[in-house]
Amino acid sequence: EVVLTQSPATLSLSPGERATLSCRASQSVSSYLAWYQQKPGQAPRLLIFDASIRATGIPARFSGSGSGTDFTLTISSLEPEDFAVYYCQQRSNWPPFTFGPGTKVHIK
Amino acid sequence: QVQLVQSGAEVKKPGSSVKVSCKASGGTFSSYAISWVRQAPGQGLEWMGGIIPFFITANYAQKFQGRVTITADESTSTAYMELSSLRSEDTAVYYCATNIYCNSTSCYTGEYWYFDLWGRGTLVTVSS
Repeated sequence: EVVLTQSPATLSLSPGERATLSCRASQSVSSYLAWYQQKPGQAPRLLIFDASIRATGIPARFSGSGSGTDFTLTISSLEPEDFAVYYCQQRSNWPPFTFGPGTKVHIK
Repeated sequence: QVQLVQSGAEVKKPGSSVKVSCKASGGTFSSYAISWVRQAPGQGLEWMGGIIPFFITANYAQKFQGRVTITADESTSTAYMELSSLRSEDTAVYYCATNIYCNSTSCYTGEYWYFDLWGRGTLVTVSS
């Protein structure tokens, strides 16, 4: 099973600042990695798939990079609606498809 | 526009079973991949298993093997997840999710085993 580790666990930032979130895989997942955003009481929302491709309707301030075992989600300038929990997920080695434990981005 | 409509909240006794449904409203899903993902209170996301209805056979996470059954009825565009031998640790929101994405006019198949479209979730509470 591929274990995904996310860092930091929490990120305290102000609107307008840049957020950099990390996801590390226990073995290579090539580029088969996605990022999701989840707000309280809501289902997750797909932001990025295949490491760097924005999903339909996702603003350009969200970008993804990386391959192999190290991945990054960057939010270039935080908007108030971006404060949420972010999960990475791999679809390279399965079953199971695995998620990281999440990074909570909260307002400083 | 396709939506995934899940069945309502359930309260179950330990040792019993629960069956949650997920209907693709506004579309069919025979060639899509339907997964079930659960989230315990205050916790992260956990993939339980999935099915591509066209291929009939489901795949499960080892953790749930023998306790979970995922099926799909193409005629009604409905997927089901049944979890047996329930225990308190199974208390969670259970989501169905699939690789369908839509813009303002049409819906398309996304990459398999990424989760573009989610249901709203079904809370299953296991309590004596």
